[in-house]
Amino acid sequence: QKEVEQDPGPLSVPEGAIVSLNCTYSNSAFQYFMWYRQYSRKGPELLMYTYSSGNKEDGRFTAQVDKSSKYISLFIRDSQPSDSATYLCAMSGGFQKLVFGTGTRLLVSP
Amino acid sequence: DGGITQSPKYLFRKEGQNVTLSCEQNLNHDAMYWYRQDPGQGLRLIYYSQIVNDFQKGDIAEGYSVSREKKESFPLTVTSAQKNPTAFYLCASSAPTGSVLYGYTFGSGTRLTVV
Repeated sequence: QKEVEQDPGPLSVPEGAIVSLNCTYSNSAFQYFMWYRQYSRKGPELLMYTYSSGNKEDGRFTAQVDKSSKYISLFIRDSQPSDSATYLCAMSGGFQKLVFGTGTRLLVSP
Repeated sequence: DGGITQSPKYLFRKEGQNVTLSCEQNLNHDAMYWYRQDPGQGLRLIYYSQIVNDFQKGDIAEGYSVSREKKESFPLTVTSAQKNPTAFYLCASSAPTGSVLYGYTFGSGTRLTVV
């Protein structure tokens, strides 16, 4: 079993939809949780960063962490075609390497 | 602007040849990483370095080599021993040393194709 599980998709939604992307993990020591967005043939860019449990909002994006369930989510409101990309979750206990999910490919159609 | 520069963007290699991928950062980051990305497999760690003149193998180091002679530079050599080198290679860095408090910064990648 992988330390971090993420559905590869693709997830196809119409423009304006609310998107929910998720990861589960097995290591209870993880405290730092991140979401990266990767456009085709580009490097990942940090989108959201959350420490421990709770929610964090930034514009149309909300990151949610439920440590009791070992489950993290990224919500995208009013999705746009420009949101079409692969979204990777990543996490760590702190002074260790990041552990990445395999990424979920999101397609937002106009 | 601070960032990570990977070159070249596209690289073609003949079977049996070694090739070197360049990674340079001006972020003053201590730690640097090399990942390989294949469709459906996510990011796989090849090598990482937390300080100059020191580096460690990642999960898939066989057939690869690295050096870290300068803080800013972490080149990756794909040797002829790497049986399936065609992939997208990503370099990343983080600061402070070994900490993920601020996440990783990635380069734009090098796509290597064996012809």
